Amino acid sequence: EIVMTQSPATLSVSPGERATLSCRASQSVSSNLAWYQQRPGQPPRLLIYGASTRATGIPARFSGSGSGTEFTLTISSVQSEDFAVYHCQQYHDWPLITFGQGTRLEIK
Amino acid sequence: EVQLVESGGGLVQPGRSLRLSCAASGFTFDDYAMHWVRQAPGKGLEWVSGINWSSRSLGYADSVKGRFTISRDNAKNSLYLQMNSLRAEDTAFYYCAKDLGTWGLQPFDYWGQGTLVTVSS
Repeated sequence: EIVMTQSPATLSVSPGERATLSCRASQSVSSNLAWYQQRPGQPPRLLIYGASTRATGIPARFSGSGSGTEFTLTISSVQSEDFAVYHCQQYHDWPLITFGQGTRLEIK
Repeated sequence: EVQLVESGGGLVQPGRSLRLSCAASGFTFDDYAMHWVRQAPGKGLEWVSGINWSSRSLGYADSVKGRFTISRDNAKNSLYLQMNSLRAEDTAFYYCAKDLGTWGLQPFDYWGQGTLVTVSS
């Protein structure tokens, strides 16, 4: 099983600042990496797939990068609605799909 | 509009069974793989099981293998999860999720609101 490790567990930023979230895979997942946003009481929402492709309707302030084992989600200027939990997911190792433990983005 | 509506959750005793359903609409159901993902209260996401469009390719997390069975009825636009020998650690919100692709090798672009399964005596 591929283990996904996200850091930090909690990230505190002020609105308008840049936020950088990391996800590391225990072995290469190529570019088969997705990011999801989850607001309280809501299901996850797909933000990024293929490591860097924005899903339909996702604002341009969200960007993804990386390949192999190291990945980054960047929010260029954090808005109030962006404070949520972010999950990374590898879908390289079917059928053993795995998620990271999540990073909580909170208001500083 | 894509909609996924889960049902069948509830309180169940350890060792008993439960069957979850997911009613899909707003897309051509038999063109896509489907998945179940769970989330224990306050915890992260755990992929549970997935099924490709034709039901020929199935997958399970090690934690549920041998106890849970995924299935689909393309004529009814429905996804199911039969959960047997339930344990306290199976307590979670269970989400139905649509794959971006046909074979289950893509991420999940739509999710239901989830149904809560509580395993307790």
